[in-house]
Amino acid sequence: DTAVSQTPKYLVTQMGNDKSIKCEQNLGHDTMYWYKQDSKKFLKIMFSYNNKELIINETVPNRFSPKSPDKAHLNLHINSLELGDSAVYFCASSRNRGNQPQHFGDGTRLSIL
Amino acid sequence: SQELEQSPQSLIVQEGKNLTINCTSSKTLYGLYWYKQKYGEGLIFLMMLQKGGEEKSHEKITAKLDEKKQQSSLHITASQPSHAGIYLCGASTQGGSEKLVFGKGTKLTVNP
Repeated sequence: DTAVSQTPKYLVTQMGNDKSIKCEQNLGHDTMYWYKQDSKKFLKIMFSYNNKELIINETVPNRFSPKSPDKAHLNLHINSLELGDSAVYFCASSRNRGNQPQHFGDGTRLSIL
Repeated sequence: SQELEQSPQSLIVQEGKNLTINCTSSKTLYGLYWYKQKYGEGLIFLMMLQKGGEEKSHEKITAKLDEKKQQSSLHITASQPSHAGIYLCGASTQGGSEKLVFGKGTKLTVNP
């Protein structure tokens, strides 16, 4: 019954590795998001897709690449991981674009060694 | 860019007490969202406010958006330990936009 589910929940890896985080929503929403929450709990938008189309692309290093194979899935691939990438990454979805409540997953805690 | 200031940063109250958390913006808030986050979990959507002067309630939590749409408050009546967590306000950066900016959160502790 989980509405927005992310995998894995925890990710511990070495600097320089490439990793992916997956997100799926079963709410029938058209719009999905990736957020980063840093160690100070500051939550910032990274990307958003609407019906598989990229609509928000914040100033994020090119090492981060989102992919939306269909409107229920939004994955995040990160190349050449750096220490500063350690954070909690949240996926969210909303019914469609505009002023709509966004529903969040439980987050993926990424730790870079 | 729009910034949201939340106050206080942290709050410790005794069970049964009322409390208020504020969220202030330097610009007009086109959509104001309140979320609650517990450690190790995602954000739980509480309420959304759009119109100046709007007020919404859910159980013991009431949220208001002022007439000028630059400040919102979240009020909890007769707090319980289950209310403990981090409360975040988020807002659209411009009218009709899905792009949200968030405050830094208010950490609420409710002592039994």
